[in-house]
Amino acid sequence: DVKVTQSSRYLVKRTGEKVFLECVQDMDHENMFWYRQDPGLGLRLIYFSYDVKMKEKGDIPEGYSVSREKKERFSLILESASTNQTSMYLCASRAGTSADNEQFFGPGTRLTVL
Amino acid sequence: GQNIDQPTEMTATEGAIVQINCTYQTSGFNGLFWYQQHAGEAPTFLSYNVLDGLEEKGRFSSFLSRSKGYSYLLLKELQMKDSASYLCAVIGYGGATNKLIFGTGTLLAVQP
Repeated sequence: DVKVTQSSRYLVKRTGEKVFLECVQDMDHENMFWYRQDPGLGLRLIYFSYDVKMKEKGDIPEGYSVSREKKERFSLILESASTNQTSMYLCASRAGTSADNEQFFGPGTRLTVL
Repeated sequence: GQNIDQPTEMTATEGAIVQINCTYQTSGFNGLFWYQQHAGEAPTFLSYNVLDGLEEKGRFSSFLSRSKGYSYLLLKELQMKDSASYLCAVIGYGGATNKLIFGTGTLLAVQP
């Protein structure tokens, strides 16, 4: 059974803290993605990676960085958390470059920054 | 630029049929996905269309017209468990091949 897992379902952090969100997939997928989801704004792409150590900015990369040291793991880092980064964070993975490949999502991490 | 539009909310009655529309304007087009997302859960794949026409999958069907930049998701014999958000997403060409651009989603409420 295909699986994308995220390290936490709920996380509460303070302004200025460094925050790590971890994502692991067991499908040997080349592509991994980090989105945030906010009411009325839908899913917005933060960063994605198409190979180990490769990364590309999505639509809203400001305030975030990522790391992909191993194929199965993609980490999202908030260098200095701010209240406007309170959101639901979704990780996803997808195989290869074929357009019709399904994208699989993790269960999400609801991050609250106080 | 990229723009994907869906209605924000819809309401329908159990047993009925509902059509959720999606219009898109993107710099490249290599297919359109529909995902279902129940509250507090991850989105799950429903369908992929790249050619014009209707694709049927049980109670769910998805239609695409590339010339009009238009798709719809048709849900028949609605059940209470179909209450969820429905997300339309477009995938592009070349450097954009690997990433989906999502609309804001349509929240469907199915009433008894």
